[in-house]
Amino acid sequence: DTAVSQTPKYLVTQMGNDKSIKCEQNLGHDTMYWYKQDSKKFLKIMFSYNNKELIINETVPNRFSPKSPDKAHLNLHINSLELGDSAVYFCASSQGTGMFQPQHFGDGTRLSIL
Amino acid sequence: DQQVKQNSPSLSVQEGRISILNCDYTNSMFDYFLWYKKYPAEGPTFLISISSIKDKNEDGRFTVFLNKSAKHLSLHIVPSQPGDSAVYFCAASAIDQGGKLIFGQGTELSVKP
Repeated sequence: DTAVSQTPKYLVTQMGNDKSIKCEQNLGHDTMYWYKQDSKKFLKIMFSYNNKELIINETVPNRFSPKSPDKAHLNLHINSLELGDSAVYFCASSQGTGMFQPQHFGDGTRLSIL
Repeated sequence: DQQVKQNSPSLSVQEGRISILNCDYTNSMFDYFLWYKKYPAEGPTFLISISSIKDKNEDGRFTVFLNKSAKHLSLHIVPSQPGDSAVYFCAASAIDQGGKLIFGQGTELSVKP
């Protein structure tokens, strides 16, 4: 009964490829997020969606395109992968965006670009 | 531009003693602050939060203190247990930011038996 699940857990691919990471939450939340944790361990927000509507887009290259088919899913598609895209990507969800609505995180997808 | 900083990358304490993890921030517009705990190969797990209108929030062994004038918060764990060994992230947000969390770089806590 995993609350926020991401697939795949590991993704190894070559530069220039296109790949997708899927995220699903069964908490009934209406807001979902993507974060990137880089080699320096900083967690930085990339996108958030509320009820399938994009509300945060943090100057992420347009090679990254989030897609939310419904409020329980937020997938991340990455085109033309580059070496600098190697990182751990975390999906999260919350009920609304107000104070004291803690975000629940998935276990991450470790993306390695060869 | 790091708006949230955790200057100690690691901390080691003895089981049963107090663990104090520190966090500094620069943006006075932050309204609330959160602490997350992260085990290897898992996602961060919410631990405790505090609103900017308070200076203390307690939940069991965990207490968060906020000093707004110093733009500083700390997480106290007492007594520390070996299972508390993990990376602790401080995070901050402003109420008009759509839930966007700004994270510090984490402090790895090791509690030795």
